[in-house]
Amino acid sequence: DTGVSQDPRHKITKRGQNVTFRCDPISEHNRLYWYRQTLGQGPEFLTYFQNEAQLEKSRLLSDRFSAERPKGSFSTLEIQRTEQGDSAMYLCASSRTSGSNNEQFFGPGTRLTVL
Amino acid sequence: AQSVTQPDIHITVSEGASLELRCNYSYGATPYLFWYVQSPGQGLQLLLKYFSGDTLVQGIKGFEAEFKRSQSSFNLRKPSVHWSDAAEYFCAVASDYGGATNKLIFGTGTLLAVQP
Repeated sequence: DTGVSQDPRHKITKRGQNVTFRCDPISEHNRLYWYRQTLGQGPEFLTYFQNEAQLEKSRLLSDRFSAERPKGSFSTLEIQRTEQGDSAMYLCASSRTSGSNNEQFFGPGTRLTVL
Repeated sequence: AQSVTQPDIHITVSEGASLELRCNYSYGATPYLFWYVQSPGQGLQLLLKYFSGDTLVQGIKGFEAEFKRSQSSFNLRKPSVHWSDAAEYFCAVASDYGGATNKLIFGTGTLLAVQP
C-alpha cells in the first residue's frame, strides 16, 4: 500500500522563477488537498479537488498560484514569479469521499526555498 | 470562523512521565476534531479523531483524547511518554466534514521534547 508521494522533496529557486510541484495521491482516493506550512505554523489549506474538479480555493492562493488535477489522479501546483514569502513546506493530502470516515493521508511535503 | 488554539508552543517531559497537550477550538456546530503528529522529514500522521459518541477516544501509539464541549477543548494525553514520541503535534478541526468539503484547520502546533 503506497502512500501519498510528492516530488521534489526540496526545491531551491531564485526570486522570480516559476516552480512546479507534483503530488501522487493514494490510488483509490478521489479527493486531493494542498496545504502550505510555514515555519512555526500549522498547515494552512490552499485548495482541494474532487476527481479533476477544483472545488475550493483559499484566499491564500493568489493569482500566481495554479493547481491542476487533469485526469483526476496526480496533481500539480505551480507558483509563478516566486517571492521570498512563498518559502514554505507544501503538503499534499488525499482521502476518499464515502461516508464521514474519510481520513486525510498526508505526503512528506515539498520544501520550497526562494532566495 | 473556525479556529484552533494550542497554547503551548513547546513542552519538555521526562521519559516515562505522563503527557497532556492542550487544544481549544472555536466552531459553531458539532466539531470534527483531530490530532496529528509530524516528525522531522515525515508527513503528518493521524493519531486519533472525534466525530461523535464517546467523548474519550483512543488512538494509535497509546494516545487518547477527551472532547469536552463545555470547555471547547480536545486535549491529547498519554500516560507514559517514550523517547520516540518527540515530535510536533497538531490539533485540527474539520470544516463541514463529510459534506461538500472537509478541509482541515490546524493549530500552530506543540513541539514535544522528551528527556531521558
